[in-house]
Amino acid sequence: DAKTTQPTSMDCAEGRAANLPCNHSTISGNEYVYWYRQIHSQGPQYIIHGLKNNETNEMASLIITEDRKSSTLILPHATLRDTAVYYCIVETGTASKLTFGTGTRLQVTL
Amino acid sequence: GAVVSQHPSWVICKSGTSVKIECRSLDFQATTMFWYRQFPKQSLMLMATSNEGSKATYEQGVEKDKFLINHASLTLSTLTVTSAHPEDSSFYICSARVPWATAGGPHEQFFGPGTRLTVL
Repeated sequence: DAKTTQPTSMDCAEGRAANLPCNHSTISGNEYVYWYRQIHSQGPQYIIHGLKNNETNEMASLIITEDRKSSTLILPHATLRDTAVYYCIVETGTASKLTFGTGTRLQVTL
Repeated sequence: GAVVSQHPSWVICKSGTSVKIECRSLDFQATTMFWYRQFPKQSLMLMATSNEGSKATYEQGVEKDKFLINHASLTLSTLTVTSAHPEDSSFYICSARVPWATAGGPHEQFFGPGTRLTVL
């Protein structure tokens, strides 16, 4: 069974914030939330990860709810180059692999 | 840092031939690398986990005799598709797990740009 649920697709206007939700209601205490994205015909790109606290880096912010059952990836000022498939992955730190779901296809438009 | 390269970026071959794809970690040593396959409009599917100096671990349904993996050094893993057929045409992507991952802590994987294989 999939550990995460994401919307199939989303649109966002360029310059606006893109908020990508992810549900992971069965997440366990030692599982991290990872976000990757894949631009068409390229390998996936690591974006950010978190355990309990909200995280921010130069690419994005990750907001994790207090019960950890869902999270939101925020791209503060989306550009056309952010058009990609975004994958939310839940795995333990000791997991030997990352399992990719179907992700959210984000289309940034003018 | 944390750059992973793949070679070739694309390859076209005739049915029945073998194709080797290289995956290199350019600025770090990776004891563990991963090989994925992605068909058009589908997600990445893990094929196998490659461990330096030992045999690869294959996912269920992946033929180990068809997809040969060698991880002879800490910066290079190779995937050889033997006796390729048109149904093996796909986008093959490798990744390397960062070596600074701590036990129980998070680990990021950095991915190569992918290799598009077309078997005629």
